[in-house]
Amino acid sequence: EDQVTQSPEALRLQEGESSSLNCSYTVSGLRGLFWYRQDPGKGPEFLFTLYSAGEEKEKERLKATLTKKESFLHITAPKPEDSATYLCAVQARDYKLSFGAGTTVTVRA
Amino acid sequence: NAGVTQTPKFRILKIGQSMTLQCAQDMNHNYMYWYRQDPGMGLKLIYYSVGAGITDKGEVPNGYNVSRSTTEDFPLRLELAAPSQTSVYFCASSYRDRVEKLFFGSGTQLSVL
Repeated sequence: EDQVTQSPEALRLQEGESSSLNCSYTVSGLRGLFWYRQDPGKGPEFLFTLYSAGEEKEKERLKATLTKKESFLHITAPKPEDSATYLCAVQARDYKLSFGAGTTVTVRA
Repeated sequence: NAGVTQTPKFRILKIGQSMTLQCAQDMNHNYMYWYRQDPGMGLKLIYYSVGAGITDKGEVPNGYNVSRSTTEDFPLRLELAAPSQTSVYFCASSYRDRVEKLFFGSGTQLSVL
């Protein structure tokens, strides 16, 4: 069975304090790994898709990386507006999508 | 473009009542999905549709029904509501399902008491 585990569950950062979120996965044939951002009371919003180990993608202060077993979302010099829950999802060979429970990031000014 | 629109935003039901959660998208997407999100859990797929007139079950379909009469609309029906159906429900759409990003609505928070 495909599994996605995100850690930590919650992360409190000071503004400017860089950190990383982890997404560990087991999947039968990875077709793609997705990162989404979810603000309170809103639906998830797409950030990145990674397709193969070694791939990296960046958007503003966020950088996503992928290995054969896990993905990291690096937040560089975060600002309060980066506070959100970040969701990881993997798509298997059969195109089934499995979501992790998310990491809630709080950035204090 | 409004994207994916869900109504209502909040709803409280009594056990045994029924209701329909509405979802509409204006992006001409073929694929539409219903997910539920519970605290500490990942999003779980309830039902999905690959086009008008075609629907299929996801991981957790029991207690729910769907229909897809048009490309734009994908309502989710709850029959005989139970406390286990207390959750936040998200509708999503994508142009294709082949490693394609999802566009989500803003959700419906449902409590069954």
